[in-house]
Amino acid sequence: SFDLTQPPSVSVSPGQTATITCSGDKLGNQYSCWYQQKPGQSPVLVIYQDSKRPSGIPERFSGSNSGNTATLTISGTQAVDEADYYCQAWDYTTVVFGGGTRLTVL
Amino acid sequence: QLQLQESGPGLVKPSETLSLTCTVSGGSISTTDYYWGWIRQPPGKGLEWIGSIYYSGTTYYNPSLKSRVTISVHTSKKQFSLKLSSVNAADTAIYYCARRQLQLANDWNFDLWGRGTLVTVSS
Repeated sequence: SFDLTQPPSVSVSPGQTATITCSGDKLGNQYSCWYQQKPGQSPVLVIYQDSKRPSGIPERFSGSNSGNTATLTISGTQAVDEADYYCQAWDYTTVVFGGGTRLTVL
Repeated sequence: QLQLQESGPGLVKPSETLSLTCTVSGGSISTTDYYWGWIRQPPGKGLEWIGSIYYSGTTYYNPSLKSRVTISVHTSKKQFSLKLSSVNAADTAIYYCARRQLQLANDWNFDLWGRGTLVTVSS
């Protein structure tokens, strides 16, 4: 199975765009998804099939996946977006999660 | 609205078997639209998929845990369960049950999660 690598932390100012990357060998050949997890809460799916948003997820969340990198973009980041974000993919034998990125909204 | 709820002992002794149950409420477990699975998270660490099961009993397991894991489904009770044998301190984690949408064969995502239950392995 492949490894998914995320930066441990990303910082962004309110109203700016946050970009979180997820790298894995030929990740673009798989579907990726993203979860948001706030302290003491269960993860919440925010992006699936690379770029689709589940019902109820704000439009400021978007995703892409190409080559070796999947990207989660949060436009107009708000204080409520401060959380841990995990990417995830399936490599035909197992579900793989990235190590997680702590997004801080300064 | 469908909900998932984990239940089971919060403390397990080393070398024993961890057993958890996930109860599905507000909907059917016997649906062709979803898989049901377990994911864990050691305190302060990341997520690890344990395995998933279809209502028919078809299972997928994480290869790194496969030798110790059994996931089963009990459709009449609207429950599915996890057994993890020969546990040690490294198995201490929050254990979540979760639902996988079955839209595309190569698309695994978990769109609904339980609240999680902390299991501590200690003597």
